[in-house]
Amino acid sequence: GAVVSQHPSRVICKSGTSVKIECRSLDFQATTMFWYRQFPKQSLMLMATSNEGSKATYEQGVEKDKFLINHASLTLSTLTVTSAHPEDSSFYICSARSPGGNEAFFGQGTRLTVV
Amino acid sequence: GQQLNQSPQSMFIQEGEDVSMNCTSSSIFNTWLWYKQDPGEGPVLLIALYKAGELTSNGRLTAQFGITRKDSFLNISASIPSDVGIYFCAGLPPGTYKYIFGTGTRLKVLA
Repeated sequence: GAVVSQHPSRVICKSGTSVKIECRSLDFQATTMFWYRQFPKQSLMLMATSNEGSKATYEQGVEKDKFLINHASLTLSTLTVTSAHPEDSSFYICSARSPGGNEAFFGQGTRLTVV
Repeated sequence: GQQLNQSPQSMFIQEGEDVSMNCTSSSIFNTWLWYKQDPGEGPVLLIALYKAGELTSNGRLTAQFGITRKDSFLNISASIPSDVGIYFCAGLPPGTYKYIFGTGTRLKVLA
């Protein structure tokens, strides 16, 4: 299957700083990538859809100025958590849609802890 | 956001037993996907279903796309300890690229 790599896997940052998370499709080009947030023992919550070459589409209730998404190439999307606060601590996961298909492949996830 | 109803929520089974779980929706889907997530990891795609009535296997796993297009089932035969984890279904509604995820089934296998 297609491989999606997410980096870093874990990050600890101080409150007020910004953190960037990268999501790369390693062996295919992804025009559409998705960013999710997952709370403990819960399902995945879609935050935004990242479209190559255009602005991301955010879900209702997700602050676009807080969670900056950039999809500058067909293999890379980034999520930047700006001015992070402890309540932003969570597990963030990206996925990429397979070209020409309806399958979605996930990255390994990033555990963000804001102290 | 919208979620699929997935059941059971959790289950404890003995090694060697078969497992069944399902997802239901009030609306139809064009695609059903089944994932397994281990702690601290991203979900891994197990099976993809594209047509109503389709039955697809992947080793000990078998999944079916319901005839009504509103449900899907996943069966695991002869469970082993490494089957432990959380299983999620995901559906893709017609005319959209946004996947809707189930609430998850937490599986624990007792050796």
